Amino acid sequence: SQTIHQWPATLVQPVGSPLSLECTVEGTSNPNLYWYRQAAGRGLQLLFYSVGIGQISSEVPQNLSASRPQDRQFILSSKKLLLSDSGFYLCAFGQGSYEQYFGPGTRLTVT
Amino acid sequence: KNEVEQSPQNLTAQEGEFITINCSYSVGISALHWLQQHPGGGIVSLFMLSSGKKKHGRLIATINIQEKHSSLHITASHPRDSAVYICAGISNFGNEKLTFGTGTRLTIIP
Repeated sequence: SQTIHQWPATLVQPVGSPLSLECTVEGTSNPNLYWYRQAAGRGLQLLFYSVGIGQISSEVPQNLSASRPQDRQFILSSKKLLLSDSGFYLCAFGQGSYEQYFGPGTRLTVT
Repeated sequence: KNEVEQSPQNLTAQEGEFITINCSYSVGISALHWLQQHPGGGIVSLFMLSSGKKKHGRLIATINIQEKHSSLHITASHPRDSAVYICAGISNFGNEKLTFGTGTRLTIIP
């Protein structure tokens, strides 16, 4: 069966520190992968999506970057976190059938 | 630009009431997700609709492609239905990006 893993579940980081959030998918191959963010009191927003290894599209200018080093691995990174990077980060995958499956999310607090 | 508008923003109802949440979307969107987000933040996809109607237990979702409108209904609402319900449009391009509505915070009072 298809599953999606995301870690860590919660993270508290100081301003200026680096960030690495990891997402892995099992039970499928060549999925579309997505990173979404939900800032406090706001709706979900697409940050990045990937249709294949090494292929990353960015939706909004920001302090973050994404990479897809393997078919089922999607990483969200930052070299120096800002306060405004705080939020709830969700990874998701799709298989080209319009269905999308969401990970459990990472709640990031930048202090 | 794909857009999704959702209403109402907040909804409070008594247990047992019939609930309706509405979603309108723009061109460039070929299907919709209805998502449920509980206080912990986790998101569950309730339905994916490209046409017609789907039912799962007390939940019913409908979509009218011509009018670009979808509704989520909850029959015999229960306090455990309290959550944020989010409508998300699926891009009709190959990347299937989601554009989210602002969400409806539903509170069911016992």
